Amino acid sequence: AQRVTQPEKLLSVFKGAPVELKCNYSYSGSPELFWYVQYSRQRLQLLLRHISRESIKGFTADLNKGETSFHLKKPFAQEEDSAMYYCALSVIQGAQKLVFGQGTRLTINP
Amino acid sequence: DTEVTQTPKHLVMGMTNKKSLKCEQHMGHRAMYWYKQKAKKPPELMFVYSYEKLSINESVPSRFSPECPNSSLLNLHLHALQPEDSALYLCASSHRNLGLAGSEQFFGPGTRLTVL
Repeated sequence: AQRVTQPEKLLSVFKGAPVELKCNYSYSGSPELFWYVQYSRQRLQLLLRHISRESIKGFTADLNKGETSFHLKKPFAQEEDSAMYYCALSVIQGAQKLVFGQGTRLTINP
Repeated sequence: DTEVTQTPKHLVMGMTNKKSLKCEQHMGHRAMYWYKQKAKKPPELMFVYSYEKLSINESVPSRFSPECPNSSLLNLHLHALQPEDSALYLCASSHRNLGLAGSEQFFGPGTRLTVL
């Protein structure tokens, strides 16, 4: 069965410190993974996807198939990074759908 | 227009009422989705429409009835809801439902539903 696990419900770091949000997945097919972010009072939006291999707002995420992980990293956290972050897995089950992790609320302290 | 819009923003209804949620996009997307999101939980998929046809129904109770009248519009008709159905209802769209173009979903702001 497909599953996405984000082990930390809450994560708090100081401004300027490195941040890592963990995501592990379980899927028998070829995984396609995403990080979605929801800032306060804003809609859920895509932050990055593994196939793009981009850095968005200083965030990067590398798919590690051996460890079935897709951790989100940023070397120097900023206060505006405070938000809810969801890791999501795209699966094919008749049609295509996203399976979300439970989410991690990131708080950047000044 | 590059956004998914949802109306109303808030809805309060009784258990005997009939109401509808509306979702609209003008990005030419051919796949649309309904999600339910409870407080402090991730979105849970309810329905997927692909080219105006229902592709996925995640065993949603029949008191929720989706409708896709055209490629830009998605409705969710509500009837005889229960208080536990109170949640944020999100609509999303994607270019298509399969392949790379189906994976990136664009979300609306949601309708906050309260069932009394």
